[in-house]
Amino acid sequence: QVQLVESGGGVVQPGRSLRLSCAASGFTFSNYGMHWVRQAPGKGLEWVAVIWYDGSHKYYADSVKGRFTISRDNSKNTLYLQMNSLRAEDTALYYCARETGYCSGGSCYYSGDFDYWGQGTLVTVSS
Amino acid sequence: QLVLTQSPSASASLGASVKLTCTLGSGHSSYVIAWHQQQPEKGPRYLMKLKSDGSHSKGDGIPDRFSGSSSGAERYLTISSLQSEDEADYYCQTWGTGMVVFGGGTKLTVL
Repeated sequence: QVQLVESGGGVVQPGRSLRLSCAASGFTFSNYGMHWVRQAPGKGLEWVAVIWYDGSHKYYADSVKGRFTISRDNSKNTLYLQMNSLRAEDTALYYCARETGYCSGGSCYYSGDFDYWGQGTLVTVSS
Repeated sequence: QLVLTQSPSASASLGASVKLTCTLGSGHSSYVIAWHQQQPEKGPRYLMKLKSDGSHSKGDGIPDRFSGSSSGAERYLTISSLQSEDEADYYCQTWGTGMVVFGGGTKLTVL
């Protein structure tokens, strides 16, 4: 079965860096686009970033552009989020999620909805 | 601008039905959306993808009690035979090139 397991969260001071990981299993990771989504305490869901199945395209929310970098290692079935220059407003539970769209055998089916989510990893930015 | 609007809260009685609404912003009435459920202290769970013509495809293991429909810019999630475990936050989601948007969420209380 599809599993997404985030790790790497913790308490960090403002201005410092943190790298999150998302270990994927139960599907062909290299065929799917992957996203990071965050949820501040008591708030709704906020999209953070997406990376295409092959890593060729990356897009970010304006709130993190220039500070966060999404990447993936398809040989390790792992998604990453490098977070630099962290701010108090980055405090949130960070989820990775899989797109339903996929590419396989040279053909791609695009759909931006998320069919599987991880359980989240908590990032707290505080001095 | 691609935006989704949801009512902050809704309530219905155990065993009854409830219809939640997600409204697409001006100029985007044809967009496909997805519905997600987030039970207390849990990660989100995918419910379904819903097209402008009302056709929908559900996620793995989603009961028949959950269904979707559409009218113009409005996308609906109907939950019938409400159970206590349906008490949760419900989010709609849509997407464009290089961007994803969530609605603010509706907190459903089962009375």
